[in-house]
Amino acid sequence: DQQVKQNSPSLSVQEGRISILNCDYTNSMFDYFLWYKKYPAEGPTFLISISSIKDKNEDGRFTVFLNKSAKHLSLHIVPSQPGDSAVYFCAASVGNGGATNKLIFGTGTLLAVQP
Amino acid sequence: EAGVTQSPTHLIKTRGQQATLRCSPISGHTSVYWYQQALGLGLQFLLWYDEGEERNRGNFPPRFSGRQFPNYSSELNVNALELEDSALYLCASTHSGNTIYFGEGSWLTVV
Repeated sequence: DQQVKQNSPSLSVQEGRISILNCDYTNSMFDYFLWYKKYPAEGPTFLISISSIKDKNEDGRFTVFLNKSAKHLSLHIVPSQPGDSAVYFCAASVGNGGATNKLIFGTGTLLAVQP
Repeated sequence: EAGVTQSPTHLIKTRGQQATLRCSPISGHTSVYWYQQALGLGLQFLLWYDEGEERNRGNFPPRFSGRQFPNYSSELNVNALELEDSALYLCASTHSGNTIYFGEGSWLTVV
């Protein structure tokens, strides 16, 4: 049973435009959500997070939105840059403040930003 | 199916000593990643092994090293321990490269 779902395996966006990556979850007990980014030759690295007490968190070009009623979160990248091309993982946890060993990861979305 | 297993769960060392952490990936997974998660920080990529070879390493000094054995299990060694090496060390394994499974981690405390 996939508790965290990223239904789009890939996304292609033009440089300078907005990239929107989506994630749905089924467990209403999740209270901390994170996005990780993975380049081909590396493991995933932390990008941005959000606690369930918030509905938005912004860090530079990256903004994460959380809609608890819909059990949906999204990552917006504005403006998109070619260096943003990577696989993006959504992850969620219950308690532990997002301690990584308790994270449930989605399957990832490959973002390709075209110059 | 057994998940990613790591040992020891907790390890206390004194400054200057060496620490060895171990990881067994999920059966069938050939790639192993090592991460450091220091208090208050996100995951920091350390090392990536695939098919017995080191494929990449993060921005860590050479005293962080490791290897992957023929059965795909892996070892992380930290030499000349410093206080700031105190962290949770996580191992993850993957086969396809997309879905990543983390172990429970090994807590290293340097005193």
